[in-house]
Amino acid sequence: QQQVKQSPQSLIVQKGGISIINCAYENTAFDYFPWYQQFPGKGPALLIAIRPDVSEKKEGRFTISFNKSAKQFSLHIMDSQPGDSATYFCAASIGLRMNRDDKIIFGKGTRLHILP
Amino acid sequence: KAGVTQTPRYLIKTRGQQVTLSCSPISGHRSVSWYQQTPGQGLQFLFEYFSETQRNKGNFPGRFSGRQFSNSRSEMNVSTLELGDSALYLCASSLQGTNSPLHFGNGTRLTVT
Repeated sequence: QQQVKQSPQSLIVQKGGISIINCAYENTAFDYFPWYQQFPGKGPALLIAIRPDVSEKKEGRFTISFNKSAKQFSLHIMDSQPGDSATYFCAASIGLRMNRDDKIIFGKGTRLHILP
Repeated sequence: KAGVTQTPRYLIKTRGQQVTLSCSPISGHRSVSWYQQTPGQGLQFLFEYFSETQRNKGNFPGRFSGRQFSNSRSEMNVSTLELGDSALYLCASSLQGTNSPLHFGNGTRLTVT
């Protein structure tokens, strides 16, 4: 019930191409879906996030597509650049505002490599 | 604004010992959460503190504990270390908790021998 399944585990894309990473969740109580980017030796950094009241959010070259009925969401990186080579994590979070019992589950990560 | 600071950066401990890790959040952030990152299990939520109170806990044994001080700085303690505790431990601060943007530190790399 609390899993977040991320695919693929690794991805190689040509420079200028579109990188697509997918995540699926089970618990319909999740209400916050962020994507984090992590470079070697660094902590994850928030890339973009979405709440289930919208189906798409775009920030620059990064877009989240959200399908509530399928319980899936994906990250699209347009015009992928070598500097985008990193590990990407999706996450799903529950915010039960009555008792503030927040909890977050991460996908296992996708290693993205952009060929120059 | 200074980012999240974690100390120390690296630690080597022996099985059975205990260890304390420290995290200084971004100024103004009252929520600090801790995570264990390993190649096999990925990023796993340990616990979250908000205004000195533990608000939520992940599925880790009681050997993992933490606390938060009045200045929002947080410490994590692991007692009776096991080889499987070798991991990168990350802390993150945020304004509202894990249901809002998290700002991660660069982690403490713990090796248990």
